[in-house]
Amino acid sequence: DIQLTQSPSFLSASVGDRVTITCRASQGISSYLAWYQQKPGKAPNLLIYAASTLQSGVPSRFSGSGSGTEFTLTISSLQPEDFATYCCQQLKTYPLTFGGGTKVEI
Amino acid sequence: EVQLVESGGGLVQPGGSLRLSCAASGFTLSDHYMDWVRQAPGKGLEWVGRTRNKANSYTTEYAASVKGRFIISRDDSKNSLYLQMNSLKTEDTAVYYCARVTAVVTHGNDYWGQGTLVTASS
Repeated sequence: DIQLTQSPSFLSASVGDRVTITCRASQGISSYLAWYQQKPGKAPNLLIYAASTLQSGVPSRFSGSGSGTEFTLTISSLQPEDFATYCCQQLKTYPLTFGGGTKVEI
Repeated sequence: EVQLVESGGGLVQPGGSLRLSCAASGFTLSDHYMDWVRQAPGKGLEWVGRTRNKANSYTTEYAASVKGRFIISRDDSKNSLYLQMNSLKTEDTAVYYCARVTAVVTHGNDYWGQGTLVTASS
């Protein structure tokens, strides 16, 4: 199975900060990576697919990059509604797998 | 508007069975692959399994942790997806989500239900 390792697990930040989250795959997955945002008690929300393509309706302050084994999610200017947990998912090979998540806290 | 609504969760004893349902609306279910994803209390997301669409003969894939115990099925005429869970273990305790796979199947899940809680405990 492909393992996804996210770092950091927790991130303390302030409104207006630039935030970067990393997701590393145990083997190459080309660009078959998605990023989700999840708020407490809610279902995940797709932010980015194909490593760098913004899902419709997602604010442009979110961006993704990378290919192969290393990927990043960047929030250019953190907003109050962005405090949440972020998770990556590989879609290259079954079983599909998720990273452990990064909680972004105030 | 796309909507997914799960039901059927509850308390079940280890070794027991439970069937979850997911009612889909606002799109043509037969066109889409569909996933089940779970989240244990305080933990991350875990992919449970997938059913492909009609064009791909509704074939299925499962995580190793549930293979042989869980069965994903669907009835497109009823706009419904199902997860039959047998031989439940305490570690199956989680919120279970059904999620639509995007039209391009490698682009993730674009719509999710609200989740239904399954608790396997004596």
